[in-house]
Amino acid sequence: KQEVTQIPAALSVPEGENLVLNCSFTDSAIYNLQWFRQDPGKGLTSLLLIQSSQREQTSGRLNASLDKSSGRSTLYIAASQPGDSATYLCAVRGGSEKLVFGKGTKLTVNP
Amino acid sequence: ETGVTQTPRHLVMGMTNKKSLKCEQHLGHNAMYWYKQSAKKPLELMFVYNFKEQTENNSVPSRFSPECPNSSHLFLHLHTLQPEDSALYLCASSQLRGDQETQYFGPGTRLLVL
Repeated sequence: KQEVTQIPAALSVPEGENLVLNCSFTDSAIYNLQWFRQDPGKGLTSLLLIQSSQREQTSGRLNASLDKSSGRSTLYIAASQPGDSATYLCAVRGGSEKLVFGKGTKLTVNP
Repeated sequence: ETGVTQTPRHLVMGMTNKKSLKCEQHLGHNAMYWYKQSAKKPLELMFVYNFKEQTENNSVPSRFSPECPNSSHLFLHLHTLQPEDSALYLCASSQLRGDQETQYFGPGTRLLVL
């Protein structure tokens, strides 16, 4: 059974700092991995999707990496801003339509 | 209206009530999903509909009953719920196309069962 773990559970940084969020998964047989953002009481917004054959994806100040063999992914946020404050969720997709999510990392960027 | 919409946004119900959650997607997708998000637990998949056919029921109690009348609409019928069913219920949709599928989520319905 696939399990997804995100570390740390919460992170507080000053504005402008570069930061890394971590995600690990137990079964390396995945189709893809996605990073989502969730604002309080809201739905999820997809940030980046990495296919199993890819090593990384970039969008603006965000860069996500994937090491399938070791079951790890990182989300790098450059020059963090208060507007980046949210919960970041990692999810992996196996052989079905099913996404397995981690519990998320709650990020607070202080002005 | 664009994207994935959900109504109501907030719902308070007693354990003997019957209510329904509604989800509508305006993206032309062929798959729809119900998820449950409880405090301090990972997002849990409840049901998957692929071309209106239910393809997954993730061991969900029968007090939750999904309905998918067409590829744009998804309902979750609720009856005799328990307080532990209080959670954020999220609907999502996607266009299934191999490993590039991205799920698009609605804003959720915040449910409180008294």
